Amino acid sequence: EPEVTQTPSHQVTQMGQEVILRCVPISNHLYFYWYRQILGQKVEFLVSFYNNEISEKSEIFDDQFSVERPDGSNFTLKIRSTKLEDSAMYFCASRTSGSWDTQYFGPGTRLTVL
Amino acid sequence: AQSVTQPDIHITVSEGASLELRCNYSYGATPYLFWYVQSPGQGLQLLLKYFSGDTLVQGIKGFEAEFKRSQSSFNLRKPSVHWSDAAEYFCAVGETILTGGGNHLTFGTGTQLKVEL
Repeated sequence: EPEVTQTPSHQVTQMGQEVILRCVPISNHLYFYWYRQILGQKVEFLVSFYNNEISEKSEIFDDQFSVERPDGSNFTLKIRSTKLEDSAMYFCASRTSGSWDTQYFGPGTRLTVL
Repeated sequence: AQSVTQPDIHITVSEGASLELRCNYSYGATPYLFWYVQSPGQGLQLLLKYFSGDTLVQGIKGFEAEFKRSQSSFNLRKPSVHWSDAAEYFCAVGETILTGGGNHLTFGTGTQLKVEL
């Protein structure tokens, strides 16, 4: 069964550094998402992406964040200058074209900012 | 704004016992409701979803959930729990975006299920 993959599984970085989290969505999916989960808190929506542009973003997704689909398979989340509070599990998700088709989630990348 | 409440942070049940995980939502229109499960080191896997129609929905792994509009609830149930069901369970509500198709999910805080043998 096709699945969403994410790399790396764990990323450790110093505060102020840039990080790029990578996701490979399911190949025929058209909508892509990033969510995050700070330890002990709920999963929170960051951004959705469709047709090579952001379709929706949350208040969390400020100018420090950006997303890109650099080729036909990858979907990346960049944090320009990481802060301690960016430490979280970041989940990528994708779905097909139907409005409420299932969002398929990847296993997540645990980001630790020191 | 929509919100989801899962009042039970941890639940422990014996293997073979029945299970009910509670979920309450707040949303102005007809909600789109989901239950996801997360095993350690794994992504979020969809158990079941409710869009409309029959208020009792069946999912994978023997789970079912009932939508009760009057109680704003979407509780997850399983008649007989297996040790492999130990995981974290998330209830989520979907928000319809009229343009762009974002349709993001709003999650509850999750319920950690422990199964005693």
